[in-house]
Amino acid sequence: QKEVEQNSGPLSVPEGAIASLNCTYSDRVSQSFFWYRQYSGKSPELIMSIYSNGDKEDGRFTAQLNKASQYVSLLIRDSQPSDSATYLCAVTYLFRGSGNTGKLIFGQGTTLQVKP
Amino acid sequence: DGGITQSPKYLFRKEGQNVTLSCEQNLNHDAMYWYRQDPGQGLRLIYYSQIVNDFQKGDIAEGYSVSREKKESFPLTVTSAQKNPTAFYLCASKEQGNSYEQYFGPGTRLTVT
Repeated sequence: QKEVEQNSGPLSVPEGAIASLNCTYSDRVSQSFFWYRQYSGKSPELIMSIYSNGDKEDGRFTAQLNKASQYVSLLIRDSQPSDSATYLCAVTYLFRGSGNTGKLIFGQGTTLQVKP
Repeated sequence: DGGITQSPKYLFRKEGQNVTLSCEQNLNHDAMYWYRQDPGQGLRLIYYSQIVNDFQKGDIAEGYSVSREKKESFPLTVTSAQKNPTAFYLCASKEQGNSYEQYFGPGTRLTVT
């Protein structure tokens, strides 16, 4: 069973719409959650971090975390063609017995296409 | 400017040759990580280091080796024992302590034929 799961997509939305990207994880002790944006051929760029249940907003981005359901999502409001990229969900992995290693487990990413 | 540099951007090697990928950071971060990304897949952890002169295997360490002689540098050697070395290699770093935010370098695309 994969530890972090994302729908690979592609998710296609029209310009100006809300894009909703979802991620589920299996490690109940995970404490920190991240969204990275990766343009084709480039390295991942950290765009959102969330640590507690609820919503966290940063500009057009909102991260939502529900630890009881082991679910984290990213909403992109007023989607722009420049938002077209692959979005990677990452979850901290407290390696059992090894304390805080800072290890992240990544999902396979969801490709977002924003059409003008 | 603070950041993470990786060199070279593209690397081509013949099968059977060892190759070393460079990763340097001037962010004063203690922890450094190496990941591999294959097409259409997420990142998989190869090795990581939390302090100088210490490193641990990640999930796919076979066929790779690392060193951490300086805080700023964490080179990765892809050995001839790695069965499928062609991939996009990414180096990341983070501050020590309770922060889990990792920041990535631009990556090295390795092609082995």
